[in-house]
Amino acid sequence: DQQVKQNSPSLSVQEGRISILNCDYTNSMFDYFLWYKKYPAEGPTFLISISSIKDKNEDGRFTVFLNKSAKHLSLHIVPSQPGDSAVYFCAASGGYQKVTFGTGTKLQVIP
Amino acid sequence: GAGVSQSPRYKVAKRGQDVALRCDPISGHVSLFWYQQALGQGPEFLTYFQNEAQLDKSGLPSDRFFAERPEGSVSTLKIQRTQQEDSAVYLCASSYGTSGSTYEQYFGPGTRLTVT
Repeated sequence: DQQVKQNSPSLSVQEGRISILNCDYTNSMFDYFLWYKKYPAEGPTFLISISSIKDKNEDGRFTVFLNKSAKHLSLHIVPSQPGDSAVYFCAASGGYQKVTFGTGTKLQVIP
Repeated sequence: GAGVSQSPRYKVAKRGQDVALRCDPISGHVSLFWYQQALGQGPEFLTYFQNEAQLDKSGLPSDRFFAERPEGSVSTLKIQRTQQEDSAVYLCASSYGTSGSTYEQYFGPGTRLTVT
């Protein structure tokens, strides 16, 4: 039972353009959502999060949007840079800190 | 300060062997998590500690898996009688926060376990 789904395994974007990574969830008990970034041979690194009481959170080039009615969130990166090339995991938690991860989207930013 | 460290980084075990994976969390972090990440998948929750107390072990796949954090700092994940399906990257994460709130989890680099 995949409670957090990232349906796009990979995405290629030109440098300077916008990258949009999508995530869907099924558990309505989730109240906190996170994006992690992972480089090869390293552990995931926290990127940005959003509480279920908000619909948008922005941090520099990164913005996360939450649509609770659709159980959908997205991560926007603008402008995209080659250093953003990594695997991005969507994650969700509810109640306490147990986090459920999606399967990841590999982003390639082409110079 | 130092981040989360894990050792060994790579471990090859023959089927049936026991292994022990170590996690050193960030000093002062109350919460500690273990995750299992199979190839091409996201990390999957195994177990959670708050200080020395193991509050959730619902993700441990079988009774061959055992985790401890006896002094509320270093944690060890032990796998007995390893099987090929145990091959994965085992990630440890720690955070400052406790139950009832959500804080950023800091991950270690993981231990890649290969069972032959």
